[in-house]
Amino acid sequence: SAVISQKPSRDICQRGTSLTIQCQVDSQVTMMFWYRQQPGQSLTLIATANQGSEATYESGFVIDKFPISRPNLTFSTLTVSNMSPEDSSIYLCSVEISNGYTFGSGTRLTVV
Amino acid sequence: AQSVTQLDSHVSVSEGTPVLLRCNYSSSYSPSLFWYVQHPNKGLQLLLKYTSAATLVKGINGFEAEFKKSETSFHLTKPSAHMSDAAEYFCVVSDYGSSNTGKLIFGQGTTLQVKP
Repeated sequence: SAVISQKPSRDICQRGTSLTIQCQVDSQVTMMFWYRQQPGQSLTLIATANQGSEATYESGFVIDKFPISRPNLTFSTLTVSNMSPEDSSIYLCSVEISNGYTFGSGTRLTVV
Repeated sequence: AQSVTQLDSHVSVSEGTPVLLRCNYSSSYSPSLFWYVQHPNKGLQLLLKYTSAATLVKGINGFEAEFKKSETSFHLTKPSAHMSDAAEYFCVVSDYGSSNTGKLIFGQGTTLQVKP
């Protein structure tokens, strides 16, 4: 099954700045998924990233706020732009494997 | 639209006693259902997956879940709780029949507390 390396694992950022999160998969995958887990909450899908096409965003999430890149079949980035304290969350990427979905270890973002 | 409801936000059991975490789902298509566990400050780990091959699914660490279509339920059980089972558990549905192929919908989570 695929292994995902996600970084950074955590960061503390100033409001108004941007943070780019990277996910590297050790095998080629068609789709990569980005999730947000707000404090004490469940996971919510932000967008689905296919290589060679624009990401598909879920309701409530927009490309200007969460631009995504997918330059090849093993790598993707999610940028959290113009951050505010409300963006403080854990961000996770995910890919489908043979028996389910595997997740990166997450990026714990705190915006101050 | 697909949805998942975890009926208990918090479950507390004593070590050595059975665990029951309840989950109901709603799906317009034949769903794939999962249980994931998240230990404090750890990543998500897949416990088990249902994909219509068998209604009783056995997972890791002694957990199992039974798919009951008539009740639209997928409850997670374990005969005997260990202290290490204390964590957050998520019931998840994936819809493969719509345009959102592969999209995961998470329940709100159940916190399992295991008392010595």
